[in-house]
Amino acid sequence: EVQLLESGGGLVQPGGSLRLSCAASGFDFSNYAMAWVRQAPGKGLEWVSGIAGSNGATNYADSVKGRFTMSRDTSKNTLYLQMDSLRAEDTAVYYCAKTGGRYFLFDYWGQGTLVTVSP
Amino acid sequence: EIVMTQSPATLSVSPGERATLSCRASQYVSTNLAWYQQKPGQAPRLLIYGASTRATGIAARFSGSGSGTEFTLTISSLQSEDFAIYYCQQYNHWPTAFGQGTRLEIK
Repeated sequence: EVQLLESGGGLVQPGGSLRLSCAASGFDFSNYAMAWVRQAPGKGLEWVSGIAGSNGATNYADSVKGRFTMSRDTSKNTLYLQMDSLRAEDTAVYYCAKTGGRYFLFDYWGQGTLVTVSP
Repeated sequence: EIVMTQSPATLSVSPGERATLSCRASQYVSTNLAWYQQKPGQAPRLLIYGASTRATGIAARFSGSGSGTEFTLTISSLQSEDFAIYYCQQYNHWPTAFGQGTRLEIK
């Protein structure tokens, strides 16, 4: 059974940093692309970043490029999102998601972790 | 970037009736279109991919159709557990894009 468990969310001041983690199990983690998708309170879904399964190459939405860094540790089956220079508009539930067959097709999602950026 | 537009924003339907949700892409996306269901406090769940293929474990009352720029999600006979928000997503072009969602509520 595929399981994705996020952690690391919380309250942070504008300009601060936070690192999210996503522990994965139930599938061959190193062979699948993964992603972070966020959802601001009461809003829709926004893709944030992705990492390729084959070579670990990453890419980012323009809204977070240069501030967020996605990485993975295949020995721990864990995905990370380092978030720096946080802004109020980064406030959201952050989901990690596994891709299935296509880079942006998300077949399993974690339960999400809430990040609140506020003074 | 591709913009996904869903209609209506809110759909009120009685249990047992049919619901039809629409999604339009601002550019051609072939059949690289997915639908997700999200209930309050839960993560999204993949329902349909490839515009018309049901994901694992998804009930047969859910069906998708369309190609190019116009897509439809149909729920043939609404059950109580189907009242939720539905999002479409194109995964043909970088970056991926989601629609703003259709809230399906009980009439």
